[in-house]
Amino acid sequence: SAVISQKPSRDICQRGTSLTIQCQVDSQVTMMFWYRQQPGQSLTLIATANQGSEATYESGFVIDKFPISRPNLTFSTLTVSNMSPEDSSIYLCSVLRTINTEAFFGQGTRLTVV
Amino acid sequence: ILNVEQSPQSLHVQEGDSTNFTCSFPSSNFYALHWYRWETAKSPEALFVMTLNGDEKKKGRISATLNTKEGYSYLYIKGSQPEDSATYLCAFHGAQKLVFGQGTRLTINP
Repeated sequence: SAVISQKPSRDICQRGTSLTIQCQVDSQVTMMFWYRQQPGQSLTLIATANQGSEATYESGFVIDKFPISRPNLTFSTLTVSNMSPEDSSIYLCSVLRTINTEAFFGQGTRLTVV
Repeated sequence: ILNVEQSPQSLHVQEGDSTNFTCSFPSSNFYALHWYRWETAKSPEALFVMTLNGDEKKKGRISATLNTKEGYSYLYIKGSQPEDSATYLCAFHGAQKLVFGQGTRLTINP
């Protein structure tokens, strides 16, 4: 298994500001992902966080809006930049220890933009 | 854009009945197909990770099959119980990404 600490668990932010979410894993993992969960919906992949290089973004998500860092094999951050109310959502980090194993999830960050 | 489709979106089943639902995914760049059980306000709980064409896995009353050549997987629940009520997610792992379907919301009626 993998124990993931995701912080903060929730925040209320003013529009136009930025929030950085942290994801810390208790051991090295092969892959780390960031997802957005909008109300009543499933998990939408924002990007794959790549260790030591730029993240790989999905269609509809760009680095200027969602910069991601992954300095090592146990830690990643997602920043939601220049926030608007439409960014209100739950953001989740997820990891795969190896290629053929199950994913583990952080507790999620519930973001409200006012 | 990589599409992972699940059907049906929702399902109501009588307690004791058996049911199944489908996940379709791209047949190229395939690493693995995951199934998760997801309850509101909780993290998804892994049911199966399947990697080989023709794989069949079973966990209690729940089982799954995999066809990577045609890009689909079935999840079966035998003798449904109220505690089976949840959203069931499949996820396609391929080409350095893990993409989830929209889920099948299952409700078991007592």
